[in-house]
Amino acid sequence: GAGVSQSPRYKVTKRGQDVTLRCDPISSHATLYWYQQALGQGPEFLTYFNYEAQPDKSGLPSDRFSAERPEGSISTLTIQRTEQRDSAMYRCASSPGQGALETQYFGPGTRLLVL
Amino acid sequence: EDKVVQSPLSLVVHEGDTVTLNCSYEVTNFRSLLWYKQEKKAPTFLFMLTSSGIEKKSGRLSSILDKKELFSILNITATQTGDSAIYLCAVEVVAGNNRKLIWGLGTSLAVNP
Repeated sequence: GAGVSQSPRYKVTKRGQDVTLRCDPISSHATLYWYQQALGQGPEFLTYFNYEAQPDKSGLPSDRFSAERPEGSISTLTIQRTEQRDSAMYRCASSPGQGALETQYFGPGTRLLVL
Repeated sequence: EDKVVQSPLSLVVHEGDTVTLNCSYEVTNFRSLLWYKQEKKAPTFLFMLTSSGIEKKSGRLSSILDKKELFSILNITATQTGDSAIYLCAVEVVAGNNRKLIWGLGTSLAVNP
C-alpha cells in the first residue's frame, strides 16, 4: 500500500474486555514496530518484528499484551483483560530494512479508550 | 533529505560531571523532537519537544529545543553510573498523510565511578 494503515482508528471498550489492533505496513517493509503513546508524551516502544521474527518484546508492559506478525506482513497487537491505564494511542510503524535506526513510517494510530 | 545528527558519538565522564548532548536536524515538516535512553534493550522515552525555548525537566535530566537553529540539547547533571547508556534523538515529521520518525545515530555515554 501507499502508507502504513491501522484499524480500527478508534476503539472504546469496557475494562476486562480483550481488544485486537491491526497494522498493515508499507508492502515489502521488513521491520514493523508497535508503540504506545500517551497524550502529550512521545511514543513508547512496545515491540518490533523483523519479518515474522520478534526479537524484542521487552517494551510490552505486561503479559496481557502480545503481538503477532505470522506471515511477515500484517501485524496484530492484542491486549487481554484491558485496564483503564491501557487507554492510549497505539502506533504502528514500518521501515524498509532491518537496521535499528532506520527511518520509520508511522500509521495514523488507533486511539484506545478503556472505560 | 531529512537527517538527524547527534554529537558527540561517544563520551566518557566521571560521576558527578555534567554532560550536554547535542542533536541537530534538517527536516521538512517538523512535528516533534524526541529523546530516548537505550540501555540493554528497547529505548525508553525521555522527552518530547515541540516548542522552542521551553525546557523539559525530569530529575537530573533536562532538554530544550531551538527551532530557529534546528537543534536540541539534553543535559544530565550530577551524572551517575546508571546514566551510562546510548542516548537517541529522533525527529518526527509529517509525510503526506503519515508521519516519519528519523533517528540520529545516538551518543554513547559512559559514566565512570
